[in-house]
Amino acid sequence: QSVVTQEPSLTVSPGGTVTLTCASSTGAVNNAHYPNWFQQKPGQAPRPLIYRTNNKHSWTPARFSGSLLGGKAALTLSGVQPEDEAEYYCLLYIGAIWVFGGGTKLTVL
Amino acid sequence: QVQLVQSGPEVKNPGASVKVSCKTSGYPFTSYGISWVRQAPGEGLEWMGWISPYDGKTNFAQKLQGRVTLTTDTFTNTAYMELRRLRSDDTAVYYCAKDQDFLIDYWGQGTLVTVSS
Repeated sequence: QSVVTQEPSLTVSPGGTVTLTCASSTGAVNNAHYPNWFQQKPGQAPRPLIYRTNNKHSWTPARFSGSLLGGKAALTLSGVQPEDEAEYYCLLYIGAIWVFGGGTKLTVL
Repeated sequence: QVQLVQSGPEVKNPGASVKVSCKTSGYPFTSYGISWVRQAPGEGLEWMGWISPYDGKTNFAQKLQGRVTLTTDTFTNTAYMELRRLRSDDTAVYYCAKDQDFLIDYWGQGTLVTVSS
């Protein structure tokens, strides 16, 4: 089965900018993988942030944006807030099924 | 408003089966698929499978194929996930989520399934 890889952990300062990436073992990620991004805090259900690469849900803060970068899906947080500390998961559509990445633990310090 | 409300926690013996329900409201049930996702304690998210309430079409993660059944009841707007031959590593929180056109938006609150003798 395909493997989706994310950075295990990243640290960013409040007000800073950070980019999380999502790679596929099958090759370069493109729009046909329909990348979705989710934020999850302890004890909570995942909260959707981005769908189909770069589309925001109505509740997604403006500081979050999705893109394709260097053959990967990317989630960029600009002007990071303390409440953005969480686990972030990407989800790719590969071979007619969804595959989650392992998650990135984002620390705001 | 869109809501997905799941059934309560379950404790099962190894080898048993579990059936989790996901009652939906606030949107046309047959127009959107339902994905099921699980999360073992301290681990990441794992996509399990998807069902279309419109025609019953399903897709499954290869790892779970043969042990999981997804169904829907269009009279009660409820989706069901049944997992058979439970093992200790099936202990997880199970989520349902509204999923159509490569957009996953609303999620249930999660159901903890504990497999233990």
